[in-house]
Amino acid sequence: SQKIEQNSEALNIQEGKTATLTCNYTNYSPAYLQWYRQDPGRGPVFLLLIRENEKEKRKERLKVTFDTTLKQSLFHITASQPADSATYLCALDDGQNFVFGPGTRLSVLP
Amino acid sequence: DGGITQSPKYLFRKEGQNVTLSCEQNLNHDAMYWYRQDPGQGLRLIYYSQIVNDFQKGDIAEGYSVSREKKESFPLTVTSAQKNPTAFYLCASSILRNNEQFFGPGTRLTVL
Repeated sequence: SQKIEQNSEALNIQEGKTATLTCNYTNYSPAYLQWYRQDPGRGPVFLLLIRENEKEKRKERLKVTFDTTLKQSLFHITASQPADSATYLCALDDGQNFVFGPGTRLSVLP
Repeated sequence: DGGITQSPKYLFRKEGQNVTLSCEQNLNHDAMYWYRQDPGQGLRLIYYSQIVNDFQKGDIAEGYSVSREKKESFPLTVTSAQKNPTAFYLCASSILRNNEQFFGPGTRLTVL
């Protein structure tokens, strides 16, 4: 079955810097990949969707890239703020089920 | 307000009892999903439904059952056959299968 790995369980960065989160997958070629934000004790909130024919997608301070050769997506938050602190999940559809990665807990330090 | 609701927020049950978690949406979405999340882990798909009166098993359907009699409702029953039912349960919906998912606030189930 599809396996998703996210680069690190936790990531600490200084306010104002760019946070880069990695999502790697194996054994399948998804048509699209999604990124979500989850705050403690709450449901995830959708951020961005990128399709296999799109190299990059932007939304305000967020940028997502999708490299189908490397089987990797990168999620960037520029000019990070303490309010960006949360867990970020990547997800894809393997044709049968939706599969979520374990998430990366981002902490932006003031 | 449009959205997706889950009730109750916290639920306690004794071992051996069945319990039903509610999920309602007024977004007019066709697809609905149930996930389970354990501490420090990602979401795992239990069941999903693309249309009324139809649903498919996800990766961890054993010990769970669902129904989809109305477009806006997708209740999940955790049966006594589920070995480790204590978890955070999340319901979601989307316009169609391949679109962004909108999540409810979740139900935290604890088996005593």
